[in-house]
Amino acid sequence: KNEVEQSPQNLTAQEGEFITINCSYSVGISALHWLQQHPGGGIVSLFMLSSGKKKHGRLIATINIQEKHSSLHITASHPRDSAVYICAVEGGAGSYQLTFGKGTKLSVIP
Amino acid sequence: KAGVTQTPRYLIKTRGQQVTLSCSPISGHRSVSWYQQTPGQGLQFLFEYFSETQRNKGNFPGRFSGRQFSNSRSEMNVSTLELGDSALYLCASSLSASGRETQYFGPGTRLLVL
Repeated sequence: KNEVEQSPQNLTAQEGEFITINCSYSVGISALHWLQQHPGGGIVSLFMLSSGKKKHGRLIATINIQEKHSSLHITASHPRDSAVYICAVEGGAGSYQLTFGKGTKLSVIP
Repeated sequence: KAGVTQTPRYLIKTRGQQVTLSCSPISGHRSVSWYQQTPGQGLQFLFEYFSETQRNKGNFPGRFSGRQFSNSRSEMNVSTLELGDSALYLCASSLSASGRETQYFGPGTRLLVL
């Protein structure tokens, strides 16, 4: 069973700061997903990664398969980025099951 | 294109009852996954369906079951409800047979068991 650890659990930042959220997992995977959940429950998929780095606007996600580690970066953070960010890993060998981290609650203060 | 829809959005039941939740995926998506989210356990995988077949099942008791119809719509059923089944139930759809795809989440059904 894959163990997914996220850090930090909670993060408060000033508007404009550079933010990093980390995710590590214990067993090899086929893909890693970064998700964003706003109050009220809706979840949006930000990235799906199997190697390297992806960028979308102010968001950057990286993954190091050898070290079993991924990071989500937010540049020039804004109060609208306040949400819970969840890392989820997808097992290999025909398993489509997602295993989730506990999430990182981000608050960006104006 | 319409997003993933779930009905009902809110539900209150009492212990011992059963409940059926519905999920309509994005048009053309054939994979539907179900998840349970609670404050204590976070998000947990329930099951995944593709072309009316359950391909994966999470570690939940047999009271939790699901099915998928030929139009890819899916239902999940929880029988003999317990207080601990109170949770946000989310479904997500994706295109493919092979995983490694973006999942599109519905708004969820919030179930309260009294």
